[in-house]
Amino acid sequence: AQKVTQAQTEISVVEKEDVTLDCVYETRDTTYYLFWYKQPPSGELVFLIRRNSFDEQNEISGRYSWNFQKSTSSFNFTITASQVVDSAVYFCALSEAGMNTGFQKLVFGTGTRLLVSP
Amino acid sequence: DVKVTQSSRYLVKRTGEKVFLECVQDMDHENMFWYRQDPGLGLRLIYFSYDVKMKEKGDIPEGYSVSREKKERFSLILESASTNQTSMYLCASSLPTSGRAETQYFGPGTRLLVL
Repeated sequence: AQKVTQAQTEISVVEKEDVTLDCVYETRDTTYYLFWYKQPPSGELVFLIRRNSFDEQNEISGRYSWNFQKSTSSFNFTITASQVVDSAVYFCALSEAGMNTGFQKLVFGTGTRLLVSP
Repeated sequence: DVKVTQSSRYLVKRTGEKVFLECVQDMDHENMFWYRQDPGLGLRLIYFSYDVKMKEKGDIPEGYSVSREKKERFSLILESASTNQTSMYLCASSLPTSGRAETQYFGPGTRLLVL
């Protein structure tokens, strides 16, 4: 069965600090997808990134970077030089490819609340 | 821009009431989903639909039903609301796929309080 673990319930940092959010996943499939979403206080989940299991290249987007390591089943998310606007709950999610109906079920971790203080 | 809207941001209902939560997407997506979000449990899938009038149970369908009469609209129904259904409800939509996962886009959520 699929499972996503975000062991860090809450992280507090001061602005400009770097912070890494951990995500560890379990799946028996060889083809799967990993996602990160951000949920600001407004409530809406905002899509950040999707990676497939065949692409282990790390990705950088501005101050955000992601480190995907199949050997440790981890997909960690780092925010460099954090800002107050980064304060949110961040969810990691896993999806196995839907070969028949095309439906892909997303399994979410329990989320990590990031608090960035000025 | 991708747009998923939900009919209410906040809702207060009484035990036993029938509750309708509406979700509309303007991206012509075939797939639509309803999740509930509870502290410490993350998001859990209630129901999903991959086509008009089609529906499939998710992980926690008990106490809920859904309706999809039009492609852009997916309704979640609480037939007889109970206090343990107090939660944040999130709707999402995505394109159908075969062999790969498309991104799900979420609405702003409805915070439901059942008294």
